[in-house]
Amino acid sequence: QSALTQPPSASGSPGQSVTISCTGTGSDVGGYNLVSWYQQHPGKAPKLMIYDVTKRPSGVPDRLSGSKSGITASLTVSGLQAEDEADYYCFSYAGSNNWVFGGGTKLTVL
Amino acid sequence: EVQLVESGGGLVQPGGSLRLSCAVSGFTFSTYWMTWVRQAPGKGLEWVANIKGDGTEKYFVDSVKGRFTISRDNTKNSLYLQMNSLKAEDTAVYYCVRDLVHGSPGGMGYWGQGTLVTVSS
Repeated sequence: QSALTQPPSASGSPGQSVTISCTGTGSDVGGYNLVSWYQQHPGKAPKLMIYDVTKRPSGVPDRLSGSKSGITASLTVSGLQAEDEADYYCFSYAGSNNWVFGGGTKLTVL
Repeated sequence: EVQLVESGGGLVQPGGSLRLSCAVSGFTFSTYWMTWVRQAPGKGLEWVANIKGDGTEKYFVDSVKGRFTISRDNTKNSLYLQMNSLKAEDTAVYYCVRDLVHGSPGGMGYWGQGTLVTVSS
């Protein structure tokens, strides 16, 4: 149950696009299409942004998109806005009824 | 409206016990898997445990196996986390969580506000 690997930080200017990676193994990210992404602002509960690799819950802007290739999942935030500045966590099924989060990425809007 | 409200957090000494509760409303509780997720101060999220709607299946992260128990009372629309033999590293905000939709496990769309557990002497 090792944590998925995310870059500690990412940044971009307003209007730009940023992609956050989430690297696992063939036993978690690579083995199942059960990757989700969460946004967390300071002092708040996490918010689901992407589930089942690519699906967006109602109310999440289409500026956010998810994808997966092999053992790496990605979250892309296009048209960066100040409100996107937050921590982002990936989450994946890891088999045998186990689940694992990534270490988190702090997204800064410059 | 789906609501999840945790309670029961507080300060406890190492080796002690604590029982967290999560009162839910706004959905048919017995039909959903429920999950506990925790976050140590200044750290990332950690999946702790989950339980099937009828309570027949329960799973835990390795670090709490044998110490934590998850349960539910579908007649009271409540989820519980019994934490025994607590360690300093169990200090965290504990969140009660529900999947957004049936059939998409891991897409945790509803979160409580969290309850803080502090393990310290």
